[in-house]
This record gives sequence, structure tokens and C-alpha cells, in this order.
Amino acid sequence: GAVVSQHPSRVICKSGTSVKIECRSLDFQATTMFWYRQFPKQSLMLMATSNEGSKATYEQGVEKDKFLINHASLTLSTLTVTSAHPEDSSFYICSAQTGGEGNTIYFGEGSWLTVV
Amino acid sequence: RKEVEQDPGPFNVPEGATVAFNCTYSNSASQSFFWYRQDCRKEPKLLMSVYSSGNEDGRFTAQLNRASQYISLLIRDSKLSDSATYLCVVNRTGGSYIPTFGRGTSLIVHP
Repeated sequence: GAVVSQHPSRVICKSGTSVKIECRSLDFQATTMFWYRQFPKQSLMLMATSNEGSKATYEQGVEKDKFLINHASLTLSTLTVTSAHPEDSSFYICSAQTGGEGNTIYFGEGSWLTVV
Repeated sequence: RKEVEQDPGPFNVPEGATVAFNCTYSNSASQSFFWYRQDCRKEPKLLMSVYSSGNEDGRFTAQLNRASQYISLLIRDSKLSDSATYLCVVNRTGGSYIPTFGRGTSLIVHP
């Protein structure tokens, strides 16, 4: 079946630095990918919709200059958390849709970000 | 009103019990519906899609009620391994395929 790979699975960084998370669809092309953040015991919160070849669409309240999204190809989207702060520590998950009939959403394994 | 609402639970049930969760959605134009399962500190995994006519996969049955704008998930003969959070996912509007997640319903199956 379709697989979405996310890397790194865990990252610890110092406050003020930037961290890049990659999301790859391994056996299908995804014109649209999504980035979510999940705090402990809370629901997945959509941060942005990543569109191949164009700018991402950010949800209200998400700073586009802080969370940079690039969707350079049909199989790769990246999320860069810039100037990370401890409050950015969270579980970040990407997802990709197969599209068309039978459209199904698959998730990456998620990335645990800890900012110290 | 939230786009997708679920009772967070937790639902505490003994092994072998039957348990049902509901999920309501606010956008009547929503066209695609799914149930996902999320284990602690893991990514959500697709459990099943929800079709208009209802569908069954082993011990799991999903149903859609468009008139009342809710979907349901029924789990029969609960196993310990069914303990997880069950997420309802609704595509925001037909055609645009922007998935919106419910908060999730926590299920704990005990011996």
C-alpha cells in the first residue's frame, strides 16, 4: 500500500536554531500534502496545506514566516521551523492524499521536536 | 460549532464488549469520511473509510447518516489491543479534499 515517510523521527535542537522535517510519498505522487501539529492529549491541528509548485496555504494563526513549507516535487514536502523556541516543541505529522476516486490519506510516522 | 466533533471519552469497556462512537460534522457538503486509529505517541493509521451504505470490516462497522450529519464506528467483541484513540476525519468540502480531524475518542479495553 501507499507509504508516507517522514524524517527525522526525533530531533532536539537549541532555542533559536532552525529545524527541517521532510515528508515523502514513497509510491504515489502527491500534489497536496498536509502538515499537522499535535500537543499531548490534543487533536491534530492542521497547520498548512502544501501544494506542489506553489505556495502553501496556512491555517489561521499559523505564522508562515516561522513555519516554512516547500513542496518542490510531487513526492517531497518539507517543513522548516525557524528560530525555534521551547513552545514549538510538539509532534509534527505530515500526510499525503492519493487523490482521485478512492482518495485516501496516509500519514508519515511523525517527528518529535524538542527545543531546549 | 467545531467542524468535526467527537466525545473525547475515555470509554472504558471490558474485553468482549461492544462499543460505539459517534462523530458529528458541520459542513453538509462534506463528502469523504474516514476513521483512523492513533496509538499513543504514534501517527494515525487508517482504520476504514465510511461509505454511504455503511461498511463492515471484521469486528468494525462504520455508518454514515447524512441527514443528521454524523458517522459512527461500532466495535464488536473488543480486544485489549483495540485500546487507542479513534479519530474521525471529514474532508472539508467536496472536491477540495482538505481533511479535518475530530479530537478523537479514547477507548480503553480492560481485562
